[in-house]
Amino acid sequence: IAGITQAPTSQILAAGRRMTLRCTQDMRHNAMYWYRQDLGLGLRLIHYSNTAGTTGKGEVPDGYSVSRANTDDFPLTLASAVPSQTSVYFCASSEGSGSGYNEQFFGPGTRLTVL
Amino acid sequence: GQNIDQPTEMTATEGAIVQINCTYQTSGFNGLFWYQQHAGEAPTFLSYNVLDGLEEKGRFSSFLSRSKGYSYLLLKELQMKDSASYLCAVRDSNYQLIWGAGTKLIIKP
Repeated sequence: IAGITQAPTSQILAAGRRMTLRCTQDMRHNAMYWYRQDLGLGLRLIHYSNTAGTTGKGEVPDGYSVSRANTDDFPLTLASAVPSQTSVYFCASSEGSGSGYNEQFFGPGTRLTVL
Repeated sequence: GQNIDQPTEMTATEGAIVQINCTYQTSGFNGLFWYQQHAGEAPTFLSYNVLDGLEEKGRFSSFLSRSKGYSYLLLKELQMKDSASYLCAVRDSNYQLIWGAGTKLIIKP
């Protein structure tokens, strides 16, 4: 693989169900991010990780959790899905998390529908 | 609060030049990014500005004025494949990106 992969590509989920969105990168980037993108709104940060073993809350963390056990993987879990979590979810990574370029590279996204 | 403003939609003609503006009010400033996002795809990095002035990269240029909280993306010699959304994002004092809602650019032949 090259870059960032996400799975699944799309999912329809019943409200109340638990769901984990997977994200894997092979660029050995230190920082990883989860965003949601909704029509008419900018990308909103859910959770981030500046380095393996650490995580932080973004703008909209409620209802979501993450872990960063190693450099490559950054799964996002919805403990009990609600319809307002219907969105397109993007995982991203960057070499670092401080100043300088550190541009973010994005995975292809997961389209999640909660009914 | 933090705010990034961009026009919702713009239309331009193939071969022409278009300027997409972005104004921002954020807690701190550690650089401004422009990304391109084709419909149904992931955003891809276009440019980065941290100092005032113009950065040129082929057909695309990006300008920044920190004192005015203003940036623009200039696209020259427009091609049909430039039809996409263009996202402005500012890295704030916590080194997190704050994103605008994006500008949908429609190119007509």
